[in-house]
Amino acid sequence: QVTLKESGPGMLQPSKTLSLTCSFSGFSLSTSGMVVSWIRQPSGKSLEWLAAIDWDGDKYYNPSLKSRLTVSKDTSNTQVFLKITSVDIADTATYYCARTTLGAGYYWYFDFWGPGTMVTVSS
Amino acid sequence: EIVLTQSPTTIAASPGEKVTITCRASSSVSYMYWYQQKSGASPKLWIYDTSKLASGVPNRFSGSGSGTSYSLTINTMETEDAATYYCQQWSSTPPTFGGGTKLELK
Repeated sequence: QVTLKESGPGMLQPSKTLSLTCSFSGFSLSTSGMVVSWIRQPSGKSLEWLAAIDWDGDKYYNPSLKSRLTVSKDTSNTQVFLKITSVDIADTATYYCARTTLGAGYYWYFDFWGPGTMVTVSS
Repeated sequence: EIVLTQSPTTIAASPGEKVTITCRASSSVSYMYWYQQKSGASPKLWIYDTSKLASGVPNRFSGSGSGTSYSLTINTMETEDAATYYCQQWSSTPPTFGGGTKLELK
C-alpha cells in the first residue's frame, strides 16, 4: 500500500535553512505520471501548497515562496526533499508530503498524505 | 492565484441531519477536490473530480458543482463525520485550498 512519512529537525532558529525529507513506499517516482508535493499547515489554519517534483525531475513551486524553496529527489526515487532558506517564525507549521495524482481533465490532486512533521522556528 | 472561499466556517449538525458545505472560487475551475481532516491527523482525500468518492468514503457523502460554485453534502449526518473539510483546486497553478469548514456534532 502507499505510505509516506516526513522527517525534519523539529525546531530551528530564524534565518537558518530548513531541510525536510519525505520517504515513501508503494509507488515509484520513476513511474510516468507520478508526482510528490509538499504542503504545510500552520496550527489552526488552512493548507498551503509549497512545491512538487514529478517522475521526470520537473519541479514546480508556489510563486509566493519560490525564491526560498528547492525540491529534489534521490536517485532511487524513494525519497523527496525540500529545503526552505531563511526561515522565520511564519514558517512554523506542520509539513506534509503527499502523492499527487492526475484526475479527470489532467488536473492534479493529493491522494495519499504522510502524517506530517511539525517544525517550529524559534530563537 | 485562485482564492477558494468556504462557507460556513463552522457548522453544528445533529445525527441524521443534512449538511451542505459550499466552496466558491474567485475564477472558474474545472474540478474540485475535498479533504477531511480530524484533529491531530493529516488530511484525507474525500471527494475527487468534483463528485467521485474516495475509497472508503460512505455514500451518504456527495459532491457537485461547476464553474465557481461547488458543494459537499452529507445526506444524513453521523457522529464520525465531525471533522474539518477543505476544498482544493488545481485548474490553475498554484493549487489552492479553501479556509476550511469545521463540522461539529450538535
